[in-house]
Amino acid sequence: EAGVAQSPRYKIIEKRQSVAFWCNPISGHATLYWYQQILGQGPKLLIQFQNNGVVDDSQLPKDRFSAERLKGVDSTLKIQPAKLEDSAVYLCASSVGDRGETQYFGPGTRLLVL
Amino acid sequence: GEDVEQSLFLSVREGDSSVINCTYTDSSSTYLYWYKQEPGAGLQLLTYIFSNMDMKQDQRLTVLLNKKDKHLSLRIADTQTGDSAIYFCAAGGGADGLTFGKGTHLIIQP
Repeated sequence: EAGVAQSPRYKIIEKRQSVAFWCNPISGHATLYWYQQILGQGPKLLIQFQNNGVVDDSQLPKDRFSAERLKGVDSTLKIQPAKLEDSAVYLCASSVGDRGETQYFGPGTRLLVL
Repeated sequence: GEDVEQSLFLSVREGDSSVINCTYTDSSSTYLYWYKQEPGAGLQLLTYIFSNMDMKQDQRLTVLLNKKDKHLSLRIADTQTGDSAIYFCAAGGGADGLTFGKGTHLIIQP
């Protein structure tokens, strides 16, 4: 079974530029999550989708971050404009979504903002 | 909201048992997880325990849950150099997003 796919794996941009990350969850998983992991910390939930609807985006900085999952499968996370403090690893995870007890994580996108 | 705490470092000798501890604050957390992260890699689910269980064993891994004290531990028997990684404790309620601790760096001494 293929795992959660993410691209790109690495991205370097200058502050005030825009960047987008892509995630393809495990086939059949209804729930998709985006986490931000800053160096030396645990992952922090940014947004959670159930199919194509947002379940929880309470920790998403909505002035600069946006995410969508239009067809209920893959998802994009965008930052516009980026700040230095956005340097982090962005992790995508998915779960079956029925009971959702197991979240499977992708390899992450490592973002460096200069 | 939920808060998860764990110590930052643990050093053990190869062959000994490692015990990584974690505390959480939200008693309504339904599932408690242990993830492993190796340098430059994503998060690997090691094991999880449902909140109505006290113990779960899976090969070299033993998870103990004290729900009264909101304390979770992960014991790794016969620790090997390949176990060197950051171990994250996480708490959640089924399909909800997870709250992670800051991670415990497990250092293996030869």
